[in-house]
Amino acid sequence: ELKVEQNPLFLSMQEGKNYTIYCNYSTTSDRLYWYRQDPGKSLESLFVLLSNGAVKQEGRLMASLDTKARLSTLHITAAVHDLSATYFCAVNNNNDMRFGAGTRLTVKP
Amino acid sequence: DADVTQTPRNRITKTGKRIMLECSQTKGHDRMYWYRQDPGLGLRLIYYSFDVKDINKGEISDGYSVSRQAQAKFSLSLESAIPNQTALYFCATSDSVTGAMADTQYFGPGTRLTVL
Repeated sequence: ELKVEQNPLFLSMQEGKNYTIYCNYSTTSDRLYWYRQDPGKSLESLFVLLSNGAVKQEGRLMASLDTKARLSTLHITAAVHDLSATYFCAVNNNNDMRFGAGTRLTVKP
Repeated sequence: DADVTQTPRNRITKTGKRIMLECSQTKGHDRMYWYRQDPGLGLRLIYYSFDVKDINKGEISDGYSVSRQAQAKFSLSLESAIPNQTALYFCATSDSVTGAMADTQYFGPGTRLTVL
């Protein structure tokens, strides 16, 4: 059974600091996604990673994928308050889409 | 106007009642999905449809049914609602066209359902 684990589940960090969110999954997959959810809102797509070694960056967020380790990371550089949200990774294994439990990020001044 | 809409946005119902949640999209996508979100559990896939005549069970389909009335419409039914179906329900769409966006999902605003 495909399982997706994120850690940490809660992350409080100060503005200007760097941090990484980890996403481990249990079976092979050809697609990994990162989404953002603001409180009381829907999910918004951030990145889709399709191959081993894929790296994508948008602003202060950078996502990478290691399919051999079954691991994706979401790196936050010089955090700002606007990045406060819940971040989800999701894995698509032959149309079986599984989400991690989410990482609630709070960026404090 | 929003690309993916859900109705109703909030609903309170009683145990044993039948309820239908509706989803419409103007994105022209062929694939549609229903998820539920519970605190601490992320999103879990209930059903998905890749075409009007295609319906597939997801991770947690028991107690739910769906209907794909048209390419743009996908409804979720609870035939006899129970309290543990209280959750936030999301509809999503994606495009089967391959490429860099590979099935990226676009979510509706959600329906908050409470079963008393």
